[in-house]
Amino acid sequence: KAGVTQTPRYLIKTRGQQVTLSCSPISGHRSVSWYQQTPGQGLQFLFEYFSETQRNKGNFPGRFSGRQFSNSRSEMNVSTLELGDSALYLCASSLVAAGGANTGELFFGEGSRLTVL
Amino acid sequence: DQQVKQNSPSLSVQEGRISILNCDYTNSMFDYFLWYKKYPAEGPTFLISISSIKDKNEDGRFTVFLNKSAKHLSLHIVPSQPGDSAVYFCAASGSGSNYKLTFGKGTLLTVNP
Repeated sequence: KAGVTQTPRYLIKTRGQQVTLSCSPISGHRSVSWYQQTPGQGLQFLFEYFSETQRNKGNFPGRFSGRQFSNSRSEMNVSTLELGDSALYLCASSLVAAGGANTGELFFGEGSRLTVL
Repeated sequence: DQQVKQNSPSLSVQEGRISILNCDYTNSMFDYFLWYKKYPAEGPTFLISISSIKDKNEDGRFTVFLNKSAKHLSLHIVPSQPGDSAVYFCAASGSGSNYKLTFGKGTLLTVNP
């Protein structure tokens, strides 16, 4: 079964631009979570979508947004890019909504590495 | 406010010996804990988990211990192999508003042949 697919894998943008990243979850998975990974901060939660609804949002500014489509594919958008947005953006899918003792295993994609110049 | 802490950024171990990776948490509402392993240029992969009703869970060479009173968990790898060299992330989850997975910053494990 195909894994989580993230596109693009690498991209370079300049400050002030905006970027859209895409994530296709494992077939049948309805939950998609997004994380930002930086060397100093580890994995930081951005948001989670389940059945097209945002269930939870991390502590990121409003420049970070996302959405989920009826086929469970998800996109995240970052507007007015800043140098500090350079990071690896990871998408993870799970069969059930992530949380508590019912947390299903999260399956991560390989990430989209964003460099902001 | 870092709710899941991995205080050792790196750990180096000889092949065949035991690797012990530690993780502390501050949120008493967390009741489910997971470890993920990440190789360079790959996404993290699930390794092992433990529910707060248990204090130990074992899967082959990997054992996770949970000390709820100390809000501490550890991952033991015995025996360590060079292929275990990776970044290990501890994660925690709870119910209600704490349900989302909160990750630590990771520990880079290097197993030397």
